Amino acid sequence: EEQLEESGGGFVQPGGSLRLSCAASGFTFSNSNMNWLRQAPGKRLEWVSCITYSTSTTYYADSVKGRFTVSRDNAKNSLYLQMDSLTADDTAVYYCARDHGRGDYTYWYFDLWGRGTLVTVSS
Amino acid sequence: EIVMTQSPGTLSLSPGERATLSCRASQSVSSTYLAWYQQKPGQALRLLISGVSSRATGIPDRFSGSGSGTDFTLTISRLEPEDFAVYYCQQYGSSPLAFGGGTKVEIK
Repeated sequence: EEQLEESGGGFVQPGGSLRLSCAASGFTFSNSNMNWLRQAPGKRLEWVSCITYSTSTTYYADSVKGRFTVSRDNAKNSLYLQMDSLTADDTAVYYCARDHGRGDYTYWYFDLWGRGTLVTVSS
Repeated sequence: EIVMTQSPGTLSLSPGERATLSCRASQSVSSTYLAWYQQKPGQALRLLISGVSSRATGIPDRFSGSGSGTDFTLTISRLEPEDFAVYYCQQYGSSPLAFGGGTKVEIK
């Protein structure tokens, strides 16, 4: 069964850092383009970041550019999101999601999601 | 930047009834780059439809998508108990990607 499972969420003070992880199983992770999305309380889903299958290309939403870093370890079937300089606006459930595209194709819609991990930024 | 607006916010229906969910874009969505997702409490989002009308793998044919330009519709022909959930539309034809605010389909 294809699965994604996020971990690493929690409570952090403004200005702090947190690293999220996403463990993939049941599919060829190394050929999949992977994303992070988030949903703040009462707000709509927001795409955060994408990393292509080979890690050669990364993309970020303007709201997190320069503060968040996406990475992956294909040997461990894992995706990561390093979040620095966190603010209250970053409070959200963070989802790991697989792009429908494989290899060099990125479709920008998502055919497999995790259940999410909650990040709360508060003093 | 395209803004996606879903209506109604909540749809109260009985099992067996037909559900019609609307998604409207503030600008024309490029080509057929419109997807629909289902979310149940505590579960992962599930891709239902891509390309406006193409059902994802394993999605039953009671789910159908239609529309073009700025107006899109997800129709559930006969609601099953497992279909009561929140549904989101997403445009992926232009940057930034944009999701609708969701329609909750609840049991009447």
